[in-house]
Amino acid sequence: DAGITQSPRHKVTETGTPVTLRCHQTENHRYMYWYRQDPGHGLRLIHYSYGVKDTDKGEVSDGYSVSRSKTEDFLLTLESATSSQTSVYFCAIREDGGNTEAFFGQGTRLTVV
Amino acid sequence: GDSVTQMEGPVTLSEEAFLTINCTYTATGYPSLFWYVQYPGEGLQLLLKATKADDKGSNKGFEATYRKETTSFHLEKGSVQVSDSAVYFCALSDPVDSGYALNFGKGTSLLVTP
Repeated sequence: DAGITQSPRHKVTETGTPVTLRCHQTENHRYMYWYRQDPGHGLRLIHYSYGVKDTDKGEVSDGYSVSRSKTEDFLLTLESATSSQTSVYFCAIREDGGNTEAFFGQGTRLTVV
Repeated sequence: GDSVTQMEGPVTLSEEAFLTINCTYTATGYPSLFWYVQYPGEGLQLLLKATKADDKGSNKGFEATYRKETTSFHLEKGSVQVSDSAVYFCALSDPVDSGYALNFGKGTSLLVTP
């Protein structure tokens, strides 16, 4: 199995509080992604990174920010959580951006109350 | 931008039935195409892929052929098992048009009954 770990696995937080989710990899892959999974929407890309300090927005980036200061860590921050951000969040890694396989973490279930 | 459309689910089949899950895509470049599977409570894992037109990806009895003329990548299996019950996602990667993103369809839930 690819070495990819998400933390925390579950979190309940209150509306308006900041939340940071962490994705850690031991594969030294260049590309890292954050997705959210919601019923009826499948997986939607939030942000991705193609190197240290190199990030770009996905289709649902509003309300989210990311940082990648080291190859192995990709952080997703909800600056002020809202109920619409209740979701399951998945991190994925890829060796390159073309035709290589993406490996997924186990997911983080976030509930904003 | 690039996009993936796959058939709505859920799909319910009896064991040993034939499976087809349709997937079509829109892309301006020459994307690579993937099928991922998600078992309950888990992350996604690659099922198969194809990187150019007319390529056939196959794994665990599943197959899909990259059809550029119909912009399709339909998933098929000749005889499904109860253990195939999962959610299946079609995805594409198109560095020319979408940079390094990996874009997914909405997923198709499959339930196989004994």
